[in-house]
Amino acid sequence: EVQLVESGGGLVQPGGSLRLSCAASGFTFSTFWMTWVRQAPGRGLEWVANIRHGGSETHYADSVKGRFTISRDNAKDSLSLQMNSLRAEDTAVYYCARDHTSSVGGRYYDAFDMWGQGTVVTVSS
Amino acid sequence: AIQMTQSPSSLSASVGDRVTITCRASQGIRNDLGWYQQKPGKAPRLLIYAASSLQSGVPSRFSGSGSGTDFILTISSLQPEDFATYYCLQDYSYPRTFGQGTTVEIK
Repeated sequence: EVQLVESGGGLVQPGGSLRLSCAASGFTFSTFWMTWVRQAPGRGLEWVANIRHGGSETHYADSVKGRFTISRDNAKDSLSLQMNSLRAEDTAVYYCARDHTSSVGGRYYDAFDMWGQGTVVTVSS
Repeated sequence: AIQMTQSPSSLSASVGDRVTITCRASQGIRNDLGWYQQKPGKAPRLLIYAASSLQSGVPSRFSGSGSGTDFILTISSLQPEDFATYYCLQDYSYPRTFGQGTTVEIK
């Protein structure tokens, strides 16, 4: 079965750290960019970070740059998000998503075609 | 960062209605735009990519159009399972940015 399963969420104090994981199965993980997206309670979706197939290229939202690190282990079909210096505003459901590149009319487009069920991160004292 | 603005923020519609949702980018993004549907407590689902290409498995009543700064998601005949929140997302540049969402409610 093709799926993504997040884990590692929980309650953490402000200033603390947490590491999220996303286990992939049913597809060739090493050939896809991967992404983290979050959603604060009652709010919209926010793109957090993504990482290239081999891990050599990463991008971050300004809100997490310097505090979060995205990484992957292609041998284990696993994606991670190391979150440091956590703030109350980082409280959210965190989703991992597969970033699929499609060719249309000779150009390439990225879209998140597969999502995990999400893991909840709560930052509170 | 490119700002994506959706309108309306919410709308009420009946089953069978034609529904349109607009997404406007703060600068030109060619047609590097996707549309996602999210139901309460669930992960988002990809509907449209490249502004107008229908994702595999998505009903043909969903369609997308637009290029540059203005984009539209159309549901040709609203079905009960379509009541949800819809988001646009630009993949033209980093950081990727979503619109704030449009909630489609039952009238």
